[in-house]
Amino acid sequence: DAGVIQSPRHEVTEMGQEVTLRCKPISGHNSLFWYRQTMMRGLELLIYFNNNVPIDDSGMPEDRFSAKMPNASFSTLKIQPSEPRDSAVYFCASSLATGAIDTQYFGPGTRLTVL
Amino acid sequence: SQKIEQNSEALNIQEGKTATLTCNYTNYSPAYLQWYRQDPGRGPVFLLLIRENEKEKRKERLKVTFDTTLKQSLFHITASQPADSATYLCAPFGGGYNKLIFGAGTRLAVHP
Repeated sequence: DAGVIQSPRHEVTEMGQEVTLRCKPISGHNSLFWYRQTMMRGLELLIYFNNNVPIDDSGMPEDRFSAKMPNASFSTLKIQPSEPRDSAVYFCASSLATGAIDTQYFGPGTRLTVL
Repeated sequence: SQKIEQNSEALNIQEGKTATLTCNYTNYSPAYLQWYRQDPGRGPVFLLLIRENEKEKRKERLKVTFDTTLKQSLFHITASQPADSATYLCAPFGGGYNKLIFGAGTRLAVHP
């Protein structure tokens, strides 16, 4: 049974470039979450979707970040333009129920380095 | 604003002993609390959920307590093994925040 799939696993880019991170949630799950993890700030929720609809994007740091979920099996997190302070590990997670309290299943993460 | 505190120092214990990790929260009253395990280079993995009306929850060698008066959760691993070495994250939910808010985590090292 495939878990949450994220791509790419590693991304190195230069400041100012556009970065797109991809996520495929577990089939049948109704909620999808994007997190960012750094040593300084820990694991922070950026945005979450219920049934493909964004519910809470209060964690999105600024307008350079955007997320979409065009269908139940795919989501993207885009950073444009990227900055060195965006360097972090970005996790996607999904849960079965439409509520953030439900058990969340995390993907392996994308390690982003912005030079 | 809400604050979640976990021991920032790594916890080093001998194999076979009980490990106890602490999660304190302030400025709000979550209704639930989850614990996750994270290994290096991997995403967190769910371990246990405890509700505010449950004082204690157990799963195999794991035990979690939730003291709403002290605003604290304790996470115990009995008969610890080197394979239990990881970072453990607590994540309260509720109390006005409809999302999990993760603590910084405590790194546990179990030595043979």
